[in-house]
Formats: sequence, structure tokens, C-alpha cells
Amino acid sequence: DIQLTQSPSFLSASVGDRVTITCRASQGISSYLAWYQQKPGKAPKLLIYAASTLQSGVPSRFSGSGSGTDFTLTISSLQPEDFATYYCQQLNSYLSGFGQGTKLEIK
Amino acid sequence: QVQLQESGPGLVKPSETLSLTCTVSGGFIDTFYWSWTRQPAGKALEWIGRIYSSGNTHYNPSLQSRVTLSVDTSKNQFSLKLNSVTAADTAVYYCARDAMGTYYYGMDIWGQGTAVTVSS
Repeated sequence: DIQLTQSPSFLSASVGDRVTITCRASQGISSYLAWYQQKPGKAPKLLIYAASTLQSGVPSRFSGSGSGTDFTLTISSLQPEDFATYYCQQLNSYLSGFGQGTKLEIK
Repeated sequence: QVQLQESGPGLVKPSETLSLTCTVSGGFIDTFYWSWTRQPAGKALEWIGRIYSSGNTHYNPSLQSRVTLSVDTSKNQFSLKLNSVTAADTAVYYCARDAMGTYYYGMDIWGQGTAVTVSS
């Protein structure tokens, strides 16, 4: 099984900050990676697919990059509504799995 | 637009079978994969498995021995059965549309989730 490790697990930042979350796969997954945002009590929301493609309707301050084993999600200028938990998810040989999550909190 | 709605019992006894259904509205179930994911309180998301409209399935190896997914295209529904449940299966269960092709397009539409508690 492929394991995804996100870092950091917790991140404290201020409105306007630029933040980066990293997701590392235990083996290469090409660009078969997606990023989700989840707010308390809500279903996850797809932000990025194919490692770097912005889902329709998602603000352009979100961006993704990487391929193989190392991926990043960047928020260029944090907005109040961005404080949430973020998950990466991989697809490999038709199996999927999620990272452990990164909780983004207001400083 | 396409919407998903989970339904099923909110309380299941230990050793019994958890059964949930996801109803797809505003679109057809054909030509997409459909996934189940769960989340225990305060913990990370865990992918359970996915099913194609033809009935082809992929399961999380850690749950494969206990999980069965099925699809009913005439009702625009797909279902999850998890047998021999324990307290560790207590979670919010989500269904989602899972888009794959040349690339992996992610789970782009989710149900609101349904809470299931395993307790006697």
C-alpha cells in the first residue's frame, strides 16, 4: 500500500500569509494526486486534481505542484475562510488513500 | 446539478452488518466511479472503496474482507455493506463521485455524510 505523509500536521498562520503544505508518497504516483479542504461538520471539497489542476470554482490563490513522490499545496494569501483541514489523496493501481491531514489555524 | 444523499441506520450493533445507500440525483450514475469514504470523529479520512456503474469494484485492502459495494442503475443508487462491525467502525460515512480517466480527477461531488455508531 502507498502511504501519504503530510507536513506539517498543524499550521498556525495569519490572514494574508502564504502557506505551503507538503504531501509525500511512499512510492511514485506520477500526478495521481488530489487535494481537499474540509471544514468542521462538512464534507471535503475538491480543490486540486492531477496534482496541479485547479477544480472549477476554486479561487486562484490555491495552487498545487509536484509529481512522483513529492507534492505541495500553496495558498498564496490566506483568507479567513481558508482556515480548515487539508487532505491529500492518491490513486495508484485503482486503490486510493488519504494523508493524515493538516489543520490550518488562525494565529 | 448532481447531488448525492446517503441513507441508512445511524445505529448498528456489534458483529452485525452496516448497510448504507447513496442516491444520485440531478444526473445519471452511468460512466462514473462512485466511492465511499469514512471519518471517525476527530480523525482522518479513510477511503473504503469504489464501484463503477458496470459493477466493477476496487476495495481498500484493509477493509476488503468485510466490504461489499453494489450498484443499482435503475434506481440511480449505489450501496455499501460492511459486515462484522465493531466500535472501530463508528464514523461519518460519505459517498462521492470519483472521476478517473487519462488523469485522476478526484472526488468532485460529495454527499453530506451520515453518522453511524456501532453500539449495543
